[in-house]
Amino acid sequence: DADVTQTPRNRITKTGKRIMLECSQTKGHDRMYWYRQDPGLGLRLIYYSFDVKDINKGEISDGYSVSRQAQAKFSLSLESAIPNQTALYFCATSTGLLLGHEQFFGPGTRLTVL
Amino acid sequence: DQQVKQNSPSLSVQEGRISILNCDYTNSMFDYFLWYKKYPAEGPTFLISISSIKDKNEDGRFTVFLNKSAKHLSLHIVPSQPGDSAVYFCAASAQGGSEKLVFGKGMKLTVNP
Repeated sequence: DADVTQTPRNRITKTGKRIMLECSQTKGHDRMYWYRQDPGLGLRLIYYSFDVKDINKGEISDGYSVSRQAQAKFSLSLESAIPNQTALYFCATSTGLLLGHEQFFGPGTRLTVL
Repeated sequence: DQQVKQNSPSLSVQEGRISILNCDYTNSMFDYFLWYKKYPAEGPTFLISISSIKDKNEDGRFTVFLNKSAKHLSLHIVPSQPGDSAVYFCAASAQGGSEKLVFGKGMKLTVNP
């Protein structure tokens, strides 16, 4: 069974719609992250959370919001989706105890905004 | 400004030969470096890492070299296998920061049988 799961795996939506991407983990990690991947741009950090009461903006947080409902769940919302938010979205987790901050990634959600 | 750079977007090698993937960084505060591998339709998976107090770390067919003075690291895969064909990301982190990983753009490795 996957340690980090993301739902949905694929989503097509229209401009202006509200979208929520969900991430769940069974690794027992405190820290969770949301990234987006665009062709030729690598992985860029959107938001991260070190525990349930801690939320931090990443490199490209504009247009996104997050909710840490529990230690195991971290959701990413697009309040009003726009076409340039079309991308591959990854959730990741870490313990914060591993030297070098190794992160474990989910399988990704492919989001298309028309 | 990109702090972690993978300047070559792709590399093609023959099975059994060496693959060398390069990465440069600009932030002197980075003290830990990681390589991730990504197959299509999957999330990135951790491959190997190196601390800034070392200049080499080896794990089976994979070796990472770090040249701090040049702010350069490289991943060597010997011998290369077709299953190594994937996108490889270099990433770096700074101790005492927010434990954020900064990723390069990635490099697509193709190993031909």
